[in-house]
Amino acid sequence: QKEVEQNSGPLSVPEGAIASLNCTYSDRGSQSFFWYRQYSGKSPELIMSIYSNGDKEDGRFTAQLNKASQYVSLLIRDSQPSDSATYLCAVSLGGYSSASKIIFGSGTRLSIRP
Amino acid sequence: GAVVSQHPSWVICKSGTSVKIECRSLDFQATTMFWYRQFPKQSLMLMATSNEGSKATYEQGVEKDKFLINHASLTLSTLTVTSAHPEDSSFYICSPIAGVDETQYFGPGTRLLVL
Repeated sequence: QKEVEQNSGPLSVPEGAIASLNCTYSDRGSQSFFWYRQYSGKSPELIMSIYSNGDKEDGRFTAQLNKASQYVSLLIRDSQPSDSATYLCAVSLGGYSSASKIIFGSGTRLSIRP
Repeated sequence: GAVVSQHPSWVICKSGTSVKIECRSLDFQATTMFWYRQFPKQSLMLMATSNEGSKATYEQGVEKDKFLINHASLTLSTLTVTSAHPEDSSFYICSPIAGVDETQYFGPGTRLLVL
């Protein structure tokens, strides 16, 4: 049974629009939630981390967390062609100050069309 | 920012040989190291976790005698794939945890192709 679920996509969004990526997780004890971006052939890079319910904004990116629904999402505003990549949702049982293993979802492939 | 290097970046080897992958944290000390592998169009799968000076903890289904992990220092960890077979062909990524702020970083990855 998968612990972190994502729609594999591809998700196609026109340039300038909002891209919405969703993720659900199974372990209610999860405390840390991450979104990584991975370009083809490259290793992941951290986009956002979120630890408490609600929204967290960083530039064009907004992460949303709802622990009751075990749901985390990433919104990308004003989508750019350079945002085309695979986005990995990741969850950790550890808190902010605890180094615990991170479990990754299978990723959603996002394509921004000009 | 934190710099993580992996060597080699890619390797092709014959079936039955062993391959060593090095992961170095260049400007920070890594108290914990995670090793992941990723097959094409799949997500990262955690293989093992190691702490400096201790034996690695392997995930279920990962053979500890086949994937030897050494974390001898706070800046270097190695993964050796012993007696490699074509099914071991994958993208191997190390991920050190910085000791000070416990941020997780990722190495650039090593692409292994076993013929």
